[in-house]
Amino acid sequence: GENVEQHPSTLSVQEGDSAVIKCTYSDSASNYFPWYKQELGKRPQLIIDIRSNVGEKKDQRIAVTLNKTAKHFSLHITETQPEDSAVYFCATPKGGKLTFGKGITLSVRP
Amino acid sequence: DTEVTQTPKHLVMGMTNKKSLKCEQHMGHRAMYWYKQKAKKPPELMFVYSYEKLSINESVPSRFSPECPNSSLLNLHLHALQPEDSALYLCASSQSFIRGRGAFFGQGTRLTVV
Repeated sequence: GENVEQHPSTLSVQEGDSAVIKCTYSDSASNYFPWYKQELGKRPQLIIDIRSNVGEKKDQRIAVTLNKTAKHFSLHITETQPEDSAVYFCATPKGGKLTFGKGITLSVRP
Repeated sequence: DTEVTQTPKHLVMGMTNKKSLKCEQHMGHRAMYWYKQKAKKPPELMFVYSYEKLSINESVPSRFSPECPNSSLLNLHLHALQPEDSALYLCASSQSFIRGRGAFFGQGTRLTVV
């Protein structure tokens, strides 16, 4: 089965609002949780990651939170800007493989 | 330097051609990966090299042949491809997932098989 699941597949927010994207994982032994941003026609870019011994990590307007009990981790973007429009993938490594969720397309309306 | 460099950026090849994709990193990463990405889909793992040895092959058809000449270089040799193999091919490298370090991607090669 899938290591990670993302829902919904699309999210639209007004510029300046916050966006939260959630990812659910299945393996309770997972210990590393990265988020990737992929703009149209570009490479996936690692934007933030968290390890299982930390509950939250922030980097300017983005943050990641981890809920190990519920087995989900979330990407938080505050003060969204049009350049935040992209596909966001969560991922988990297992057995040397990095498996991606299906991605969420975030659209920030000016 | 968090750069992974891939060449070429674009490639059009016929079904009888032989071509190679190249990837280079100088971050000292010991794990390197090939991914295939179709439009509106997530990257799909093809191969993993760890310390220059092929450690994972995700049941990829033999018309794709990876090669890791040294710790900085990764190649993907292509032969007798099909039109459905047209996709974005991404190379990535990482220090180690076990140590909690993420993978960095190259800009990809946009492959079209005609």
